[in-house]
Amino acid sequence: AQKVTQAQTEISVVEKEDVTLDCVYETRDTTYYLFWYKQPPSGELVFLIRRNSFDEQNEISGRYSWNFQKSTSSFNFTITASQVVDSAVYFCALSEWVDSGYSTLTFGKGTMLLVSP
Amino acid sequence: GAVVSQHPSWVICKSGTSVKIECRSLDFQATTMFWYRQFPKQSLMLMATSNEGSKATYEQGVEKDKFLINHASLTLSTLTVTSAHPEDSSFYICSAREELAGEGTQYFGPGTRLLVL
Repeated sequence: AQKVTQAQTEISVVEKEDVTLDCVYETRDTTYYLFWYKQPPSGELVFLIRRNSFDEQNEISGRYSWNFQKSTSSFNFTITASQVVDSAVYFCALSEWVDSGYSTLTFGKGTMLLVSP
Repeated sequence: GAVVSQHPSWVICKSGTSVKIECRSLDFQATTMFWYRQFPKQSLMLMATSNEGSKATYEQGVEKDKFLINHASLTLSTLTVTSAHPEDSSFYICSAREELAGEGTQYFGPGTRLLVL
């Protein structure tokens, strides 16, 4: 069984603050993928990043950065200098390798980020 | 790239009617499409996995006769909510997976809000 835990239900910050969204996962597989998606108020899920289990390099994309630590089964997401447009629900998800394809995504419960001016 | 559309975006219908929702991958071929349901302030719940040319695989607890899924081509999957009732009111989201080597990312449509009166 696999599980994704996003312990932070809601986070409120003021614009320009840095914020880190936590994600902890459980899986028995050695090959798996981790994802972050953003769901703004409009409802559409926006793909942010995919990371495979063999690539522990941290990644930076503009104001976004991700810290993957296999030792603690965590895949945390940091937004630097947050902006009001960052306000959304952020989902962490886990996909395991199954034969020639991939299993379905297991989503965390999401973290609602509110950035105020 | 990797754009998924859904139609319609909003549906209001009377109890007892059937509603069809279309999901299209616009710029890639999707061997597999997924249908999710999301209640307010909750995470996504996978309803079924749809593979092109074969029967959909439904998650436990999802009535296959209630939620008919057809994946007729590599770019189109449809979800029909038959004899809809107020409890079927929800936000339905589809996703499509681009099956490149090593690629497993699901790209999501904008969702369809269904209100059954």
